Amino acid sequence: GENVEQHPSTLSVQEGDSAVIKCTYSDSASNYFPWYKQELGKRPQLIIDIRSNVGEKKDQRIAVTLNKTAKHFSLHITETQPEDSAVYFCAEGDNQGGKLIFGQGTELSVKP
Amino acid sequence: GAVVSQHPSRVICKSGTSVKIECRSLDFQATTMFWYRQFPKKSLMLMATSNEGSKATYEQGVEKDKFLINHASLTLSTLTVTSAHPEDSSFYICSASNSRGDEKLFFGSGTQLSVL
Repeated sequence: GENVEQHPSTLSVQEGDSAVIKCTYSDSASNYFPWYKQELGKRPQLIIDIRSNVGEKKDQRIAVTLNKTAKHFSLHITETQPEDSAVYFCAEGDNQGGKLIFGQGTELSVKP
Repeated sequence: GAVVSQHPSRVICKSGTSVKIECRSLDFQATTMFWYRQFPKKSLMLMATSNEGSKATYEQGVEKDKFLINHASLTLSTLTVTSAHPEDSSFYICSASNSRGDEKLFFGSGTQLSVL
């Protein structure tokens, strides 16, 4: 069945350092991999996504890499800032009209 | 952008009562919406897929008679928690795709349900 494993569950970094969050998935049919940021009590916000025909995508300080052979994808945040502190969720979809399965989440804390 | 509105944001009810949560797509039509449940510091668990004009598809372990879903129009889906009990207390959040085929999901603001 569909399953997404996300690590680490918590991550603490100093301001300016990089943060990396990793996810693995099991469904070979998965072809869409978004990342969401959720602040306490608020809705998840899409921050970046990648499709299976691309190995890497970057948007300013945020990048995502995908290894389809190994079935894992990672979120990279460079030059972290305190406002990056939040819970980050990876997810995977397989063209079922938007149905996503989420990872367990990573609580990122950026210390000034 | 794609805006999804969810109402109410917070509800407190007595055990045994039913609670209805509304999810609306404001600037696009959504043939499919999704309902998730989230416990504190936990992930989003997909409960069901709401299909406009047809029955919802429930995930394994989710009671369809407990969580009634109605998707009567292209912009509105409702989730009714029937005969709510304290264990139903949770954060419920809906999402919708903008139907452009790019699978981007946009979330409502969520509903914090507290059953006393």
